[in-house]
Amino acid sequence: QKEVEQDPGPLSVPEGAIVSLNCTYSNSAFQYFMWYRQYSRKGPELLMYTYSSGNKEDGRFTAQVDKSSKYISLFIRDSQPSDSATYLCAMSKLGDQFYFGTGTSLTVIP
Amino acid sequence: DGGITQSPKYLFRKEGQNVTLSCEQNLNHDAMYWYRQDPGQGLRLIYYSQIVNDFQKGDIAEGYSVSREKKESFPLTVTSAQKNPTAFYLCASIAGPNTEAFFGQGTRLTVV
Repeated sequence: QKEVEQDPGPLSVPEGAIVSLNCTYSNSAFQYFMWYRQYSRKGPELLMYTYSSGNKEDGRFTAQVDKSSKYISLFIRDSQPSDSATYLCAMSKLGDQFYFGTGTSLTVIP
Repeated sequence: DGGITQSPKYLFRKEGQNVTLSCEQNLNHDAMYWYRQDPGQGLRLIYYSQIVNDFQKGDIAEGYSVSREKKESFPLTVTSAQKNPTAFYLCASIAGPNTEAFFGQGTRLTVV
């Protein structure tokens, strides 16, 4: 079983839609959770960083962590064509390496 | 501006040759990482270094080598022993334990 599971999509939504991206994980020791956005042929850029359970909001983006269910989500409100990219979840535990999901490809149609 | 610089952006290698990918950071980060990204497989860890003159193998280290002689630099050599080297290579660094990773813009290596 992989440490982190992420639906690869592709996901296609109309402009203005609410997008929900999700990852599940198997290791209950993970404490630090991240979402990265990666445009084609570019390096990933950090969108959100959260510690432990709860919600964190930054503009149109909300990251949600449910440690009891081993489930994290990224919500994008009022999606824009510029949000079209691959979204990677990542997580780590104390002093250990990062574990990445395979990425979900998102296309927002104008 | 602080950041991570990978060079070159595109690299072509003949079979049987070794090539070295450059990664330089001016963020004063201690830890640096090399990942390989293939379609549908996400990021796989090749090597990482938490301090100068020390590095550890990741999940797919075979056919690769690294050095960490300076804090700012973590070059990756893809040797002829790597049987399927065509991929997108990403370098990352972190400021300290349990902080987020920052990535370079990647090097696309193609074997011709």
